[in-house]
Amino acid sequence: ETAVFQTPNYHVTQVGNEVSFNCKQTLGHDTMYWYKQDSKKLLKIMFSYNNKQLIVNETVPRRFSPQSSDKAHLNLRIKSVEPEDSAVYLCASSSQGAHERLFFGHGTKLSVL
Amino acid sequence: QQKVQQSPESLTVSEGAMASLNCTFSDGTSNNFRWYRQHSAKGLEVLVSIFSDGEKEEGRFTAHLNRANLHVSLHIREPQPSDSAVYLCAVSPTGNYKYVFGAGTRLKVIA
Repeated sequence: ETAVFQTPNYHVTQVGNEVSFNCKQTLGHDTMYWYKQDSKKLLKIMFSYNNKQLIVNETVPRRFSPQSSDKAHLNLRIKSVEPEDSAVYLCASSSQGAHERLFFGHGTKLSVL
Repeated sequence: QQKVQQSPESLTVSEGAMASLNCTFSDGTSNNFRWYRQHSAKGLEVLVSIFSDGEKEEGRFTAHLNRANLHVSLHIREPQPSDSAVYLCAVSPTGNYKYVFGAGTRLKVIA
């Protein structure tokens, strides 16, 4: 049963536009993440947000920014999309603790024309 | 930087035959290992987590970890066509933020 909800499922846009993706988890977890999955299925972490502390993957371009209103929500904004941003963006959450597993949403597929 | 590689890239097995997937990693201090499955319709789900050398079983899924050999494997007992999916290995030295994923093995189970 899904407990990490992402919207939209798909988004098609043009280069230079701004997009926002939403993520909400109903598990009461303290930590949320955004991952990017490319066409070869490779998953790479972009951001982690825990109790208002943001951890950023330094390789993520500055046009990407996470936005969190509370620990149950972590949105992702892309200011000016580029063709290489076409990918599936996966949101995940976990409770605290190094051994706690990640729960993933179904993903948002972004296509940049 | 941690490198995680999975093999084979794709695997076809008959229903009921054992399926074995491999994952090698480069950081020998890693102590968090997970196998995920990704169905196109269901998204990502964790199958088994293992944190020390040896074996961990979760239903039909068994993970084997040998940190000295930098290797973790997943064995699927009596695979079914519904097990057809992409299987992802995730490795971390310290916990969730640091997980590095492999590129996946695409498994196809034929009836």
